[in-house]
Amino acid sequence: KQEVTQIPAALSVPEGENLVLNCSFTDSAIYNLQWFRQDPGKGLTSLLLIQSSQREQTSGRLNASLDKSSGRSTLYIAASQPGDSATYLCAVSKETSGSRLTFGEGTQLTVNP
Amino acid sequence: DGGITQSPKYLFRKEGQNVTLSCEQNLNHDAMYWYRQDPGQGLRLIYYSQIVNDFQKGDIAEGYSVSREKKESFPLTVTSAQKNPTAFYLCASSIFPGAYEQYFGPGTRLTVT
Repeated sequence: KQEVTQIPAALSVPEGENLVLNCSFTDSAIYNLQWFRQDPGKGLTSLLLIQSSQREQTSGRLNASLDKSSGRSTLYIAASQPGDSATYLCAVSKETSGSRLTFGEGTQLTVNP
Repeated sequence: DGGITQSPKYLFRKEGQNVTLSCEQNLNHDAMYWYRQDPGQGLRLIYYSQIVNDFQKGDIAEGYSVSREKKESFPLTVTSAQKNPTAFYLCASSIFPGAYEQYFGPGTRLTVT
């Protein structure tokens, strides 16, 4: 059974700092990995999708990397801003049909002005 | 505007009553999903549907039921058999089943007393 772990559970940083969020998964036979952002009481916003054949994806100040063989992904946020404060979730998909995602518990990020 | 709508945002019910949560999408997506989120936890899959008139159980389907009579609609019924129904419920869709990016609605917070 696939298990997804996110470390740290919570992170507080000063504005402007570069930071890394970690995601690990137990079964390396994934099809893709997706990073999401969730604001309190809201739905999820997709940030980046990395296919298993890719090593990284970039969107603005965000960069996600994937090392499938070691079961790890990182989300790098450059020059953090208070507006980046949210919970960040990673999820992996194993099957090629149905897109059943297995989620981690998330990292709660606070960026202090 | 294209997107996923869930209604209502907050729902209160007495124990022993069935309740139906609405999910509608105008993205022309084939696949739709229902997740449950408990405080401090990641999302868990309840049911998913890859095509109209077809759906499959997820990891925690007991006490829930769904229907998929129209492509754009995927309502979830929380029955009285669900032992701990109080949670945040999220609906998602993807363009096609099979490891495509999932898009989420704003969620419905259900409280059962």
